[in-house]
Amino acid sequence: AQRVTQPEKLLSVFKGAPVELKCNYSYSGSPELFWYVQYSRQRLQLLLRHISRESIKGFTADLNKGETSFHLKKPFAQEEDSAMYYCALPSGGYNKLIFGAGTRLAVHP
Amino acid sequence: DVKVTQSSRYLVKRTGEKVFLECVQDMDHENMFWYRQDPGLGLRLIYFSYDVKMKEKGDIPEGYSVSREKKERFSLILESASTNQTSMYLCASRGTVRYNEQFFGPGTRLTVL
Repeated sequence: AQRVTQPEKLLSVFKGAPVELKCNYSYSGSPELFWYVQYSRQRLQLLLRHISRESIKGFTADLNKGETSFHLKKPFAQEEDSAMYYCALPSGGYNKLIFGAGTRLAVHP
Repeated sequence: DVKVTQSSRYLVKRTGEKVFLECVQDMDHENMFWYRQDPGLGLRLIYFSYDVKMKEKGDIPEGYSVSREKKERFSLILESASTNQTSMYLCASRGTVRYNEQFFGPGTRLTVL
């Protein structure tokens, strides 16, 4: 069965420290994965998608098929990065997404 | 910009009441979704619709129904609200192009007393 696992509920770091939000998936085939973010009092929005190979707000994510992971990384965390982050995996012909449980990132000054 | 709007930001209802949550999108998207968002559980899909009058159950459809009479509008109905349906409800829409993102509404915080 397709599944997304985010093992950390909370990740707490100081400003300027590196950040890695973990995401592991279970999927038969070649997945296309997404990271969504929800800042305080804002709606959930797309942060980045694997297919675009992009860096958004300094974040990158690399698909590791051997480890079935899609970890989100940023070399130097900023206070404005504090938010809830969700990893997501397409399901059902790409119409649906399966979301992980989410990781709350708290960046302290 | 895609706009997904939800009829209420906050709702308080009593056990047993029938509750309607409305969602409207303005980008002519074929696909619309209703999720519950609960701490520690992430987003769980309740129902989705891929066309007018078409719907499919998601992972947790029990206690809910949906209606999609017009392309832009997708309603979530709690036939008889219960306290365990207290949650944040998120609506989303998406086009049919592969890898299209889902666009989310602001959410409705429903409290059932």
